[in-house]
Amino acid sequence: AQTVTQSQPEMSVQEAETVTLSCTYDTSESDYYLFWYKQPPSRQMILVIRQEAYKQQNATENRFSVNFQKAAKSFSLKISDSQLGDAAMYFCAYRRWNYGGSQGNLIFGKGTKLSVKP
Amino acid sequence: NAGVTQTPKFRILKIGQSMTLQCTQDMNHNYMYWYRQDPGMGLKLIYYSVGAGITDKGEVPNGYNVSRSTTEDFPLRLELAAPSQTSVYFCASSYSRGPISGANVLTFGAGSRLTVL
Repeated sequence: AQTVTQSQPEMSVQEAETVTLSCTYDTSESDYYLFWYKQPPSRQMILVIRQEAYKQQNATENRFSVNFQKAAKSFSLKISDSQLGDAAMYFCAYRRWNYGGSQGNLIFGKGTKLSVKP
Repeated sequence: NAGVTQTPKFRILKIGQSMTLQCTQDMNHNYMYWYRQDPGMGLKLIYYSVGAGITDKGEVPNGYNVSRSTTEDFPLRLELAAPSQTSVYFCASSYSRGPISGANVLTFGAGSRLTVL
């Protein structure tokens, strides 16, 4: 079974600085999807960025980028030029490639709470 | 385009009461999921459905039931509510595999906070 581990329960960053959130996962599969979701105090789960495992190029979305290390099973999220609105819980999640039914379920880490200091 | 709509947003139940959390999506997604999120934890799968008339258990199904009579709707029923069911519940949906852009992404509802006293 796949597992996702986020080893940093809480992180803090100064506004305009850069922060990296860590995520490791365990799988025996070679193809899969990885995601970072943001959950602000409103509770809404918002997709931040996604990565297909077959792609060697790291995904980027504006100020958000990932460092995907497939051999190390590592998927960290870098937030550049941090803004007050970035304060939230961040969840790393795994989804199987050939998904169907429960195989299409996202497997989540426990999350990292990010605080942004003005 | 409303996406995934959950109702109610908040509910307080007494032990032993029953209720239904409603979930509707307007994106014609095949797959739908119910998750619960306990404090300090990620989301855990309760039930899922791959299409109308087809449902199955996830990781934590005890105390819950679901039905899927239409593509759009996937209600979650709590029978005989217990304090252990105090949680935030999320409904999510996605396309099945295919060439549709973003088919691998789950779209979430805004969540329903349930308290059982």
